Amino acid sequence: DAKTTQPTSMDCAEGRAANLPCNHSTISGNEYVYWYRQIHSQGPQYIIHGLKNNETNEMASLIITEDRKSSTLILPHATLRDTAVYYCIVRVAPGSQGNLIFGKGTKLSVKP
Amino acid sequence: DAGITQSPRHKVTETGTPVTLRCHQTENHRYMYWYRQDPGHGLRLIHYSYGVKDTDKGEVSDGYSVSRSKTEDFLLTLESATSSQTSVYFCATKDSIANTGELFFGEGSRLTVL
Repeated sequence: DAKTTQPTSMDCAEGRAANLPCNHSTISGNEYVYWYRQIHSQGPQYIIHGLKNNETNEMASLIITEDRKSSTLILPHATLRDTAVYYCIVRVAPGSQGNLIFGKGTKLSVKP
Repeated sequence: DAGITQSPRHKVTETGTPVTLRCHQTENHRYMYWYRQDPGHGLRLIHYSYGVKDTDKGEVSDGYSVSRSKTEDFLLTLESATSSQTSVYFCATKDSIANTGELFFGEGSRLTVL
């Protein structure tokens, strides 16, 4: 699975959009981009995933560049409850029995 | 959310004692996973299962064994606990039918080995 690079930490003001970047320059054609988050002391929570088209759900939007070498997770109106560590993961999906490899992620702090 | 229950949620034990952590799911998901999470290491896969009695090793399987005798239960056993196994353990499941690749995680089990 391709390696990902994320900033260690980011701050965001409450009510503003949080844009979390992820670089995955070695991504291959059959690899998906997944985003999870982990709120302190809880299990990780799935947010969104995509292959090459931009995706949106009730939690977030995922923007993948045309060359697929990077992506951005957007939380449109961040709240204090969005403070968490956000993991960008690249892997072949979906039916594989293999695992998701979690890196160190980005610690997002949403401030009032 | 998938109904995933881990037990116990907290355990303190002594070096050399056996420990079993249980993961129970009510969603009939085919795949189940055990991860451990330590500061500076993120989540690392210990073992996983792709069906009843079908299991395989992950990246940090030494010192751990697993069993899956029925779809809903995945047990993680430390035959002789060591201090290096002090960690937070997470169970996860995946539904092969839904085919999204999404993992559902339990709330974690915090194990301290003295």
